[in-house]
Amino acid sequence: DGGITQSPKYLFRKEGQNVTLSCEQNLNHDAMYWYRQDPGQGLRLIYYSQIVNDFQKGDIAEGYSVSREKKESFPLTVTSAQKNPTAFYLCASSRLSGRSSYEQYFGPGTRLTVT
Amino acid sequence: AQRVTQPEKLLSVFKGAPVELKCNYSYSGSPELFWYVQYSRQRLQLLLRHISRESIKGFTADLNKGETSFHLKKPFAQEEDSAMYYCALRRGSARQLTFGSGTQLTVLP
Repeated sequence: DGGITQSPKYLFRKEGQNVTLSCEQNLNHDAMYWYRQDPGQGLRLIYYSQIVNDFQKGDIAEGYSVSREKKESFPLTVTSAQKNPTAFYLCASSRLSGRSSYEQYFGPGTRLTVT
Repeated sequence: AQRVTQPEKLLSVFKGAPVELKCNYSYSGSPELFWYVQYSRQRLQLLLRHISRESIKGFTADLNKGETSFHLKKPFAQEEDSAMYYCALRRGSARQLTFGSGTQLTVLP
């Protein structure tokens, strides 16, 4: 079954704890992205990566970290420094060239609740 | 800086009525614009892009550079069109997207 997967679907953490959200794709896409979705604010870009072992900050990177050790995987860590971590997190991937390079494919999302 | 504005958070129309979801953008470069849709309990997915100039599920969107708009239109709305719609602008070498805040469309029977 091809596609992009995120786990877990729901995640609960206590304030002050770091938490890592998983994102895996088997589409052989070069680029991967993390977005945060909040009601009334749409999606905002946290981090993105065009190639293994390289990644760039998006618009709201503070309090987050990522790694890209494998092409297929782009985990996001929400650190205790993130002031308002409760949100819905979406991972996406895309080609960077060739057919369908204009389209981003999204995972099902992880809803993180921090109390 | 790039920005995408969707002025309507909620939009309700009756089945069979025309629908228009508004999107305005600001971007210094040559814009590439998209509409993404999220149906209930489904993933966010691409609906259409301005370059293709195609109609998808009866929806069309025309890029108006003079008005910096990319409104999504459908002449006769159907109940299955009810969803959250996001306008998005693509930028940068990594093709990252800037999204609008979204419009929740409800088509009433």
